Amino acid sequence: DGGITQSPKYLFRKEGQNVTLSCEQNLNHDAMYWYRQDPGQGLRLIYYSQIVNDFQKGDIAEGYSVSREKKESFPLTVTSAQKNPTAFYLCASSIHGETQYFGPGTRLLVL
Amino acid sequence: AQSVAQPEDQVNVAEGNPLTVKCTYSVSGNPYLFWYVQYPNRGLQFLLKYITGDNLVKGSYGFEAEFNKSQTSFHLKKPSALVSDSALYFCAVRNGGSQGNLIFGKGTKLSVKP
Repeated sequence: DGGITQSPKYLFRKEGQNVTLSCEQNLNHDAMYWYRQDPGQGLRLIYYSQIVNDFQKGDIAEGYSVSREKKESFPLTVTSAQKNPTAFYLCASSIHGETQYFGPGTRLLVL
Repeated sequence: AQSVAQPEDQVNVAEGNPLTVKCTYSVSGNPYLFWYVQYPNRGLQFLLKYITGDNLVKGSYGFEAEFNKSQTSFHLKKPSALVSDSALYFCAVRNGGSQGNLIFGKGTKLSVKP
């Protein structure tokens, strides 16, 4: 069964804590993306990666970090520097320049 | 700069009536246009896209969209709405002449009443 998986579905972060969101795809897509969704604001691009071992900042990269050590995986770390992390986080993948397909999302909440 | 506008935060229609969700865009080159749907607490599902060719694009679940270059619009339509179509709909655009990223509209909530 091909697709994009994200885990966990819900994540709770304590003050000053770094947390990592997982994104895995078995679609053999080269490009992967992380978006943040807030109510009434649509989707905003955090980071994207066109190829293994390379990634670029999106529009709202501050307070986040990523890695792309494998084609299938693109984890996102929300660092303590991100002062307003509560949001719905969506991962997507695509063949270069083609349609992006999305995972089910992770909702991050602050304790 | 690229941008997408979805002028209606919410659209209400009765089941069985036609529905339209509006989208206008601004892009420097040829636009690649997309519609996605999102159900509560779920990821986005791809509905349809316009790259080139026929201005009327047909997609999943009976949805279609019409590309209008002169009005820079890409409205989503369905001839007969279902209650199950109630969801959040996003329009997105990118510049087809480059590897630029997708720009999303803020979304339109569609509510279909029985």
